[in-house]
Amino acid sequence: EVQLLESGGGLVQPGGSLRLSCAASGFTFNIYAMNWVRQVPGKGLECVSAISVGGGTTLHADSVKGRFTISRDDSENTVYLQMNSLRVEDTAVYYCTRGRGSGWQYYFDFWGQGTLVTVSS
Amino acid sequence: EIVMTQSPATLSVSPGERATLSCRASQSVSSNLAWYQQKRGQAPRLLIYGASTRDTGIPARFSGSGSGTEFTLTISSLQSEDFAVYYCQQYSNWPPTYTFGQGTKLEIK
Repeated sequence: EVQLLESGGGLVQPGGSLRLSCAASGFTFNIYAMNWVRQVPGKGLECVSAISVGGGTTLHADSVKGRFTISRDDSENTVYLQMNSLRVEDTAVYYCTRGRGSGWQYYFDFWGQGTLVTVSS
Repeated sequence: EIVMTQSPATLSVSPGERATLSCRASQSVSSNLAWYQQKRGQAPRLLIYGASTRDTGIPARFSGSGSGTEFTLTISSLQSEDFAVYYCQQYSNWPPTYTFGQGTKLEIK
């Protein structure tokens, strides 16, 4: 059974940092691209970061570029999101997702349960 | 950037009836379109990919159609568990942005 388990969310002040983790199990982790998708409570979905198989290429949405960094450890079947210089507008539930498709053309076939990040003073 | 627009924002339908949800892309995404269902308090779940292919375990009452810029998700006979928010998502362009529509809330009439 595919499982994605996020952790690391919480309350942080504006300008602060958090590191999210996503532990994957039930599939061959190192052959899938992985992603972080966020959802402001009651609002829509935004893919903020993606990382390729092998980790050699990463992509970040303009809204987080220069502040967020996605990485992966295939030996631990884990993907991370380092979030720096956090802003109030980064408040959201962050989902870890698996990408399935071809190259960078993929959809998100499995989602974690999400972890809430609240940025507030 | 490709913008995805879903309509209507809210759709009220009675159980047993058919629901038709629309999604439009601001430029062609070919068939690189997915649909997701999200129930309150849960993560989204993949329903359809490649515009028309049901994911594993998705009931046959869910069907997707379209290509290019116009797409439709049809639920043929609504069950109580189908009332949720539905999102479309494109995965076509480069650099990839994986943009979602704003969602359609399907509610009980």
